Amino acid sequence: RKEVEQDPGPFNVPEGATVAFNCTYSNSASQSFFWYRQDCRKEPKLLMSVYSSGNEDGRFTAQLNRASQYISLLIRDSKLSDSATYLCVVNRAGNTPLVFGKGTRLSVIA
Amino acid sequence: DAGVIQSPRHEVTEMGQEVTLRCKPISGHNSLFWYRQTMMRGLELLIYFNNNVPIDDSGMPEDRFSAKMPNASFSTLKIQPSEPRDSAVYFCASSSSDKISGNTIYFGEGSWLTVV
Repeated sequence: RKEVEQDPGPFNVPEGATVAFNCTYSNSASQSFFWYRQDCRKEPKLLMSVYSSGNEDGRFTAQLNRASQYISLLIRDSKLSDSATYLCVVNRAGNTPLVFGKGTRLSVIA
Repeated sequence: DAGVIQSPRHEVTEMGQEVTLRCKPISGHNSLFWYRQTMMRGLELLIYFNNNVPIDDSGMPEDRFSAKMPNASFSTLKIQPSEPRDSAVYFCASSSSDKISGNTIYFGEGSWLTVV
């Protein structure tokens, strides 16, 4: 079983739609969590951190459920520019490198 | 400020040839990571260095792969001999913090390798 699992998609949604991505992780000792965005033929870039209490950044809301080892990302009012691959990222316990999910591809259609 | 700089950006080589990928981390960063990305396997960590010392190379696929960091501003990933299954995007990333975290790591633009 992969340490971080995501639905690969693609999710094809119209502009203005709300879309949600889910991610599960297997290492219960994981300490910190992130969503990264990767545009086609570009490097991954941090979108937002994920906190236990849930957090929001504009149209983006991230949630963490430690008991279920589940992370989510909600995008409201989708824009064409949101089209990208969204990577779920986990930091294991201690000072160790990030572990990436394979990503969920989103296409927002006009 | 310059980000993580990788070269070459694109390389096409024949099976059996040696490939050397290069990375210059952000100045002052003390951790450096080599990741490989493919459609099938996603983004996988190959090796990482802290203060120029290899800490974990368990992700290196096999003996054909080797990585070095001779100083704080330069690292290489070498594949010898290369095989078609090595075709992938190789990302270098660096981090400034002694506590590696998703909000302290920065990626280069990647080296796109095709082995024919």
